[in-house]
Amino acid sequence: GAGVSQSPSNKVTEKGKDVELRCDPISGHTALYWYRQSLGQGLEFLIYFQGNSAPDKSGLPSDRFSAERTGGSVSTLTIQRTQQEDSAVYLCASSLGTLRTYEQYFGPGTRLTVT
Amino acid sequence: AQTVTQSQPEMSVQEAETVTLSCTYDTSENNYYLFWYKQPPSRQMILVIRQEAYKQQNATENRFSVNFQKAAKSFSLKISDSQLGDTAMYFCAFMLSTGANSKLTFGKGITLSVRP
Repeated sequence: GAGVSQSPSNKVTEKGKDVELRCDPISGHTALYWYRQSLGQGLEFLIYFQGNSAPDKSGLPSDRFSAERTGGSVSTLTIQRTQQEDSAVYLCASSLGTLRTYEQYFGPGTRLTVT
Repeated sequence: AQTVTQSQPEMSVQEAETVTLSCTYDTSENNYYLFWYKQPPSRQMILVIRQEAYKQQNATENRFSVNFQKAAKSFSLKISDSQLGDTAMYFCAFMLSTGANSKLTFGKGITLSVRP
C-alpha cells in the first residue's frame, strides 16, 4: 500500500515569508508525528497527534510554528515569518496509534531552505 | 528526560566485513523501546531493528543484530556481511512504552560508509 507522503519535496523561501508543509499519513493510521532534522540540532520531535485528542505540542520551538490535522488524516505544519535557522528537513511519521506506536513509518521529508 | 548518545560521527567498513555501531542512552524509566533507523541519501527513514526493554534476548533481523545491555544502558548495532547498500546514516532512538506521547528521541546519528 501507499506509504507516508509529504509535499513539497523541497521548498526555498525568503526570510520572513510563511510556509506550509503537508503530510499525508498511511490510511488508517491514527497517530501522526512531525520531526525536524537540522545540522545543528539533529533529529527532534515537534508535535504529535493521536486521534481526536489534543495534540502534544511540547516540541514546537516557537509560536511561529503551528500544525493542524484535518479530519484525522492530512496534517499541515505551518511556519510563520520564517528565519534562516528554520532551514531543515521536516519529517512526518504515522503509526496505528496506541496499540502499535512503536511502528512509526516515515515520509521522505520536506527540505526547507530559508534564504 | 531521556537522552540518546552516539559518540562516533563516522565509520567505514569493507564490504562483507562486520561493523558495530555504538549507542548509549539515559533514562530513569523501566519500560521502553530502542530502535535503530537507517537513513540513506533519499532521506527516507527506515526501521532496521527494534528491542523491547523487558526482553533479555537480543533482537536480530537477518544480517542485523543488537547487543542490548540494560544495566549499562547500551544498545549497539552489529551489521554482518556488510553490503554497499548499507551505506547510510544510522540513528539510534528511544521511546517510552507507557505514557500519552510515543515520540522518538534520537541520537545525532552516525555516517556509515561501506567500501567495495
